[in-house]
Amino acid sequence: AQSVTQLDSHVSVSEGTPVLLRCNYSSSYSPSLFWYVQHPNKGLQLLLKYTSAATLVKGINGFEAEFKKSETSFHLTKPSAHMSDAAEYFCVVIRSPGKLTFGTGTRLTIIP
Amino acid sequence: EAGVAQSPRYKIIEKRQSVAFWCNPISGHATLYWYQQILGQGPKLLIQFQNNGVVDDSQLPKDRFSAERLKGVDSTLKIQPAKLEDSAVYLCASSSGLPGLATNEKLFFGSGTQLSVL
Repeated sequence: AQSVTQLDSHVSVSEGTPVLLRCNYSSSYSPSLFWYVQHPNKGLQLLLKYTSAATLVKGINGFEAEFKKSETSFHLTKPSAHMSDAAEYFCVVIRSPGKLTFGTGTRLTIIP
Repeated sequence: EAGVAQSPRYKIIEKRQSVAFWCNPISGHATLYWYQQILGQGPKLLIQFQNNGVVDDSQLPKDRFSAERLKGVDSTLKIQPAKLEDSAVYLCASSSGLPGLATNEKLFFGSGTQLSVL
């Protein structure tokens, strides 16, 4: 079965410092992986997606993620955190068209 | 384009009462999903519709939950009777996807209905 594990339930960084949100996946074949962001009282928004075209995926708002098959990881990074990045982030694996399996989420806090 | 609309935004009920949520997907989107997000967890798929037909309801607690999408557009999700453990945010999502499309089909989510069962 395909699944994802988000290694940190809560991450705090200072504004202007790098962000690293960790995600490991389990899949018997090459997975489709997404990162979604959920701001308070707003709907889930797609940040980026990996579909095997390129291992380094660039998303919106300066985020990017690197697919590493040898490490079964798909970590989300951003060079410099902004206050508006404070939100809940979900790593997601696609089981079949439209059927998303979400990780448990990582709450990102930005320290002024 | 208009997003996925959900109502109500919040609902508080007592256990054993019934409740209904409404969702209007993005115009033209054939596929509609209902997800349940319990506090501290990621969303979990309850049911998937393709037009007005059910594609997957394997995770729907059918003894108390029901959902319909009669005209293939908007949808309602009902809980009767509600239990304390049903307290969660209920998210509706839609996509233009049809069966057989790539697994990277993008879903658009509504803001959700936050249900509190007392």
